[in-house]
This record gives sequence, C-alpha cells and structure tokens, in this order.
Amino acid sequence: GENVEQHPSTLSVQEGDSAVIKCTYSDSASNYFPWYKQELGKRPQLIIDIRSNVGEKKDQRIAVTLNKTAKHFSLHITETQPEDSAVYFCAAMGGSDYKLSFGAGTTVTVRA
Amino acid sequence: DAGVIQSPRHEVTEMGQEVTLRCKPISGHNSLFWYRQTMMRGLELLIYFNNNVPIDDSGMPEDRFSAKMPNASFSTLKIQPSEPRDSAVYFCASSPGQGLVAFFGQGTRLTVV
Repeated sequence: GENVEQHPSTLSVQEGDSAVIKCTYSDSASNYFPWYKQELGKRPQLIIDIRSNVGEKKDQRIAVTLNKTAKHFSLHITETQPEDSAVYFCAAMGGSDYKLSFGAGTTVTVRA
Repeated sequence: DAGVIQSPRHEVTEMGQEVTLRCKPISGHNSLFWYRQTMMRGLELLIYFNNNVPIDDSGMPEDRFSAKMPNASFSTLKIQPSEPRDSAVYFCASSPGQGLVAFFGQGTRLTVV
C-alpha cells in the first residue's frame, strides 16, 4: 500500500517568513495529492491539491510542487501569518485503489 | 449543504461496552472514508467505501471493529467490545467520487475508561 512520509514534524517560523513542508510517497501510480490544515480541536480542511499531470499550483500565499520522478511533493507558505499556525497534513491517493493515505503531520508555529 | 455530519461529537464509555459511531456523507458523494486520529499514530485510514461497498478494510485494527454502509446517506463504525486503547478522534470523510477531494466531518471524540 501507499506510504507517505512527511518532514519536518515541527516547524517554527517568524511572521512574514516562508514555511516549507516536504512529503514523499511510495506508490508511483498515485495521482492526487491534497494538503489539509487542521486547527486545534477541529477537522482537517483542504487548503490546496495537485494532480499528477501538473507540476506546480499556486493559490495566493500557498503553493504546492510535485516531482513525479522523485515521488515527492512540497507545500510552500509565503508571508506567514499567526493564523497559519496549525497542523498540516499531506496525503496521496492511490491511482488504482483510490485510498487516501496521510503523512504524519507538521505542526507549524508562526511567531509574531 | 451541511457537510459531512457525524454523531455523537463526544462519547465516553466504559471498557467492554459497545460503541457505535455514525456518519452522514455529503449528498451525492459516492466515496466514504473512516479515519482514526491519535497523537501517536496520526490519521489512520480504517476502511473505505465506494458506492456503499467496502473496498478496503485493511486498516481495521481488529475484529472488534466493524463498519457498514447500508445506503448512500449513512454509515456506522462499531466497536465491540471497546477498550481504553480505542480512545481517539474518529473522522468520517466523503468524496464525490474516486480520485476526488475528500471532505471531513467534525469527528467523534471517543474516550473509553
């Protein structure tokens, strides 16, 4: 089955700086890669996603890149703000079984 | 649309009791996932349904866990008998179809004492 690894597990950045989270996946057939943000005590919510036919996608301060050859994808948050503090999860969906597997999560803290 | 609805939001039960968690997916969504979240193990996929049919239950930890989806608008996750190590937040998520974005419910926080 799919194995998704995520790094780092914690990330502390100064407000205004950038944050980068990296993930790798094992199933070369995976073709859908969403990112979720989970605030304390709340549900994971989708913030951006990318499909395997696209190398990069951007939405305001958030961008995701995908390298299919290396089987890794990254989340970039620019101009971080205190409200960006949360746990971020990457995920990969299998191309044949459609199982959505998650990374272990990254706790991001933005220091004011 | 109210989104994915889970009930109860909180459940406290004694070890050995049966626990039933409920999920109503978003109307029209064909795929449904049950996840368990703990600090130690993160978000674990327990079981996944497509068109009400269980596709993969390899994540179900033990025979004490069972899940059903009798129709397109309702699913249950049952633990019988419950144990303290089952304490976790259980999330249900639904998706319009295979390979499409999944939306999470609010979760059920289960505490087994």
